[in-house]
Amino acid sequence: GAVVSQHPSWVICKSGTSVKIECRSLDFQATTMFWYRQFPKQSLMLMATSNEGSKATYEQGVEKDKFLINHASLTLSTLTVTSAHPEDSSFYICSASGLAGENGPSADTQYFGPGTRLTVL
Amino acid sequence: GQNIDQPTEMTATEGAIVQINCTYQTSGFNGLFWYQQHAGEAPTFLSYNVLDGLEEKGRFSSFLSRSKGYSYLLLKELQMKDSASYLCAVWDSNYQLIWGAGTKLIIKP
Repeated sequence: GAVVSQHPSWVICKSGTSVKIECRSLDFQATTMFWYRQFPKQSLMLMATSNEGSKATYEQGVEKDKFLINHASLTLSTLTVTSAHPEDSSFYICSASGLAGENGPSADTQYFGPGTRLTVL
Repeated sequence: GQNIDQPTEMTATEGAIVQINCTYQTSGFNGLFWYQQHAGEAPTFLSYNVLDGLEEKGRFSSFLSRSKGYSYLLLKELQMKDSASYLCAVWDSNYQLIWGAGTKLIIKP
């Protein structure tokens, strides 16, 4: 249980285009989803936190107009990198925490996706 | 399938030493990460091992054996602030991160 998937796993795009990354909780309802960015071999930097049905909360320094986050359902959140530039090339990881329940995941535990590698040419 | 196993929970005493094990079965291997995560916070990077052996960083050390698909995180001189979840994650051959479920470490006085 508590599986989180991301799509695509790898994307290459041209500078100036927009890229959408999906994060899905496959077997539980994710009330909260987190988006992280990881540079090679370094820490995960939290970009934003999104709760289903409400606007995402962005961390300081993260441009909300550039990194659009939508958490429209309890199983899906999307991150759209708008007008991507080479400096946006990175590894983007989502995580999800879910509804507490007898058979569900712990509400205070984050379950991480496998990541999406974005390369902007 | 790919999977990573680590204990769900461990308890240790302040000032002691604790070893958190992680075993993995993945499609290829491009490195293993250890992260520390306090409740409600983002994970903090602890270590990255890609070659066999022990790497020491202050009170924390990480060991890797690729042939055994095994790693451990060793924490010495435990402090109360070390109470957290410790996540093991492996980069597979496609640089996809395979995550363990995390080990909740409880430190008692």
